[in-house]
Amino acid sequence: ETGVTQTPRHLVMGMTNKKSLKCEQHLGHNAMYWYKQSAKKPLELMFVYSLEERVENNSVPSRFSPECPNSSHLFLHLHTLQPEDSALYLCASSQAWQGMYEQYFGPGTRLTVT
Amino acid sequence: AQSVTQLDSQVPVFEEAPVELRCNYSSSVSVYLFWYVQYPNQGLQLLLKYLSGSTLVKGINGFEAEFNKSQTSFHLRKPSVHISDTAEYFCAVTRSGQTGANNLFFGTGTRLTVIP
Repeated sequence: ETGVTQTPRHLVMGMTNKKSLKCEQHLGHNAMYWYKQSAKKPLELMFVYSLEERVENNSVPSRFSPECPNSSHLFLHLHTLQPEDSALYLCASSQAWQGMYEQYFGPGTRLTVT
Repeated sequence: AQSVTQLDSQVPVFEEAPVELRCNYSSSVSVYLFWYVQYPNQGLQLLLKYLSGSTLVKGINGFEAEFNKSQTSFHLRKPSVHISDTAEYFCAVTRSGQTGANNLFFGTGTRLTVIP
């Protein structure tokens, strides 16, 4: 595997379910991010991890719970979601040292909440 | 904080014609600028970036962009588009000189549709 991978690619869940999204980066980066992409809205930054520590939480509801067990893996745990949480969830990674500031994105998980 | 405005939500253009996608940013500090492309059912892919140096930057797939500090713009151009360029294009900005994780602020995107 190369780059940033995300599983599953598609997920349909009911409002009472609990599920998790997984992201893995194979680039040796030290920062990871979760974004939410909804139709006709800018990308919304949800969480930022640097060296496995959460450095930003952009007022995300507690029904979204991130976890970063090591620098290569990032999870987003989901429970009691709402229909408006249906969106494409994108994971990204970066290496902010050494002059590299761009983020590398995974293909996303298309989440539908019914 | 930084912000980005992409003035055109949709840009239709005929195949082999030139195209310009507009991006303006707002920031009180020095910035780095990026253009990303998103094809259907995929994540975002970096097209090009401006960190410093020459204001004209060249990227993948024949795209280029020019950083204009006085006009706070970073417009994306391609002299001749192909059908395969049909996609969503995002401009992004971040504060320069950060260490650790850096937040990218994205525009709302421009849908480029290339017409045969």
